[in-house]
Amino acid sequence: IAGITQAPTSQILAAGRRMTLRCTQDMRHNAMYWYRQDLGLGLRLIHYSNTAGTTGKGEVPDGYSVSRANTDDFPLTLASAVPSQTSVYFCASSASADSAETQYFGPGTRLLVL
Amino acid sequence: GQNIDQPTEMTATEGAIVQINCTYQTSGFNGLFWYQQHAGEAPTFLSYNVLDGLEEKGRFSSFLSRSKGYSYLLLKELQMKDSASYLCAVRDSNYQLIWGAGTKLIIKP
Repeated sequence: IAGITQAPTSQILAAGRRMTLRCTQDMRHNAMYWYRQDLGLGLRLIHYSNTAGTTGKGEVPDGYSVSRANTDDFPLTLASAVPSQTSVYFCASSASADSAETQYFGPGTRLLVL
Repeated sequence: GQNIDQPTEMTATEGAIVQINCTYQTSGFNGLFWYQQHAGEAPTFLSYNVLDGLEEKGRFSSFLSRSKGYSYLLLKELQMKDSASYLCAVRDSNYQLIWGAGTKLIIKP
């Protein structure tokens, strides 16, 4: 693989169910991010990790959790899905959290919560 | 609060030049990024500005004025494949990216 992969590509989920979105990168990047993208709004940061073993909350963290057990993987968990979590979720990574570093994005997961 | 403003939609003609503006109000400034996003796809990096002035990269150029909180992306010799959304993002004092809603660019033959 090259770059960032996300799974699943899309998912329909019943409200109240638990769901984990997977993200894996093979670029040995230290920093990773989860965003959601909704129509008419900019990308909004959910959670981030500047290095393996550390995580932080972004702009819209409620209802989501993350872990960063190793460099490559950064899963996002919805503990109990609600319809307002219907969105496109993008995982991204950068070599570091420094200002000049470009973020590279995965292909996204399209989630519909009913 | 933090705010990034871009026009929602623009239309241009194949072969022409288009300028997409971005104004920002953020807590701190540590660089401005432009990304391109085709429908149904992930954003991809176009340019980065941290100092005032123009950065040129092929058909695309990006300008920054930090004192005015203003940037623009200039696309020359437009091609049909340039039809996409263009996202402006500013890295704030916490080194997080704050994103605009994007400008949908429609190219007509």
